[in-house]
Amino acid sequence: EVQLVQSGAEVKKPGESLTISCQGSGYSFTSYYITWVRQMPGKGLEWMGRIDPTDSHASYSPSFQGHVTISADKSINTAYLQWSSLKASDTAMYYCARRTAGVKSLDYWGQGTQVTVSS
Amino acid sequence: DIQMTQSPSSLSASIGDRVTITCRASQSISRSLNWYQQRPGKAPRLLIYTASSLESGVPSRFSGSGSGTEFTLTITSLQPEDCATYYCQQSARTPQTFGQGTKVEI
Repeated sequence: EVQLVQSGAEVKKPGESLTISCQGSGYSFTSYYITWVRQMPGKGLEWMGRIDPTDSHASYSPSFQGHVTISADKSINTAYLQWSSLKASDTAMYYCARRTAGVKSLDYWGQGTQVTVSS
Repeated sequence: DIQMTQSPSSLSASIGDRVTITCRASQSISRSLNWYQQRPGKAPRLLIYTASSLESGVPSRFSGSGSGTEFTLTITSLQPEDCATYYCQQSARTPQTFGQGTKVEI
């Protein structure tokens, strides 16, 4: 069974750093990209970026470039989303999802990680 | 970035109704269009890929059509469990942008 399991909810202060994770199982981790999607409270889905776990090459939306870092460790089938300095506006639910190779749809999703940034 | 615009933003329908949601792209994306369902408090779920292919396990009352810049998602006989927000997503260009969502209420 394909599964993406994300790390638990986080509460942080502005300016703090944070890394959340997404561990894949039940499939060949290096055969599919991992995409990160943001959902701010009461809002829609936003494509943040994606990573190829084979070589850790990441692509970002211009809206998120420079503010987050996407990485992966294929030895433990895990992708990461990292912030070096959080803002209150980073408060959101973050989802990882597996991207199919050919049609580029997101066929399996993690359960989501709630990040709350508040002073 | 390619902009994706859905209409309507929300709709209310009755059980058994036929529901149609439209998604328009700001430039041609051929058939690189996916549809997702998000029930309240849950992660999104893939319904349709490449405009009209039904994802495994998705009920056949869901269908998709279109190409180029205009696409539709149709639910032929609305069921209570279809109460959700539906999103289109283009996968032709990075960033692979989503529409703003259509909330379906029953």
